[in-house]
Amino acid sequence: QVLLQQWGAGLLKPSETLSLTCAVSGESFSGYFWTWIRQSPGKGLEWIGEVNHNGATYYNPSLKSRVTMSVDTSNNHFSLKLTSMTAADTATYYCARGLISGTTWNYYYYLDVWGKGTTVTVSS
Amino acid sequence: EIVLTQSPATLSLSPGERATLSCRASQSVGSFLAWYQQKPGQVPRLLIYDASNRATGIPARFSGSGSGTDFTLTISSLEPEDFAVYYCQQRGNSLTFGGGTKVEIK
Repeated sequence: QVLLQQWGAGLLKPSETLSLTCAVSGESFSGYFWTWIRQSPGKGLEWIGEVNHNGATYYNPSLKSRVTMSVDTSNNHFSLKLTSMTAADTATYYCARGLISGTTWNYYYYLDVWGKGTTVTVSS
Repeated sequence: EIVLTQSPATLSLSPGERATLSCRASQSVGSFLAWYQQKPGQVPRLLIYDASNRATGIPARFSGSGSGTDFTLTISSLEPEDFAVYYCQQRGNSLTFGGGTKVEIK
């Protein structure tokens, strides 16, 4: 059974950097997309970005200038950093596994396993 | 960016009734669409992938259909535990979710 365990600071001040880590257990790290999703209070889901086992990343264009994702394959971890946090970044942040469907040249992924979420509040 | 528009925003139904939720994409996504259920205070749960395939452990009363730009999630007979928010998702050149449909008890 695949489990995602996430952790990181839950209370930040404006301008600080969010750092979250997600540990993958029970499955190989390769062959998937590893993603971060957030949900502001009472709002919908927002994709932050993805990283694969090779460290290739792709970010939401609206957050791209502030986001860095990375992988640590030796420990089956992947991480998120989001700089210059503001109150608008207050949200629950989820890590999730992207399971690929399709062919080599025409594919997408869906999110079949999720972490429990980390509530992040930005306040002075 | 492909925009997913879900309708209606809220669906008020009684247990036992049929629920029909719509997700429309701003351009074709083929069959590359997934649906999720989220209950208050809980993590989203995958229901349907590839537009029509039920995820592991999902009851048969949930079904998905459609391709291209128009997709439907149907709950054939609502159980009390089905009242929740439902999201569709695609991953074309970037990943997007629809705005969600809340299925509430009438």
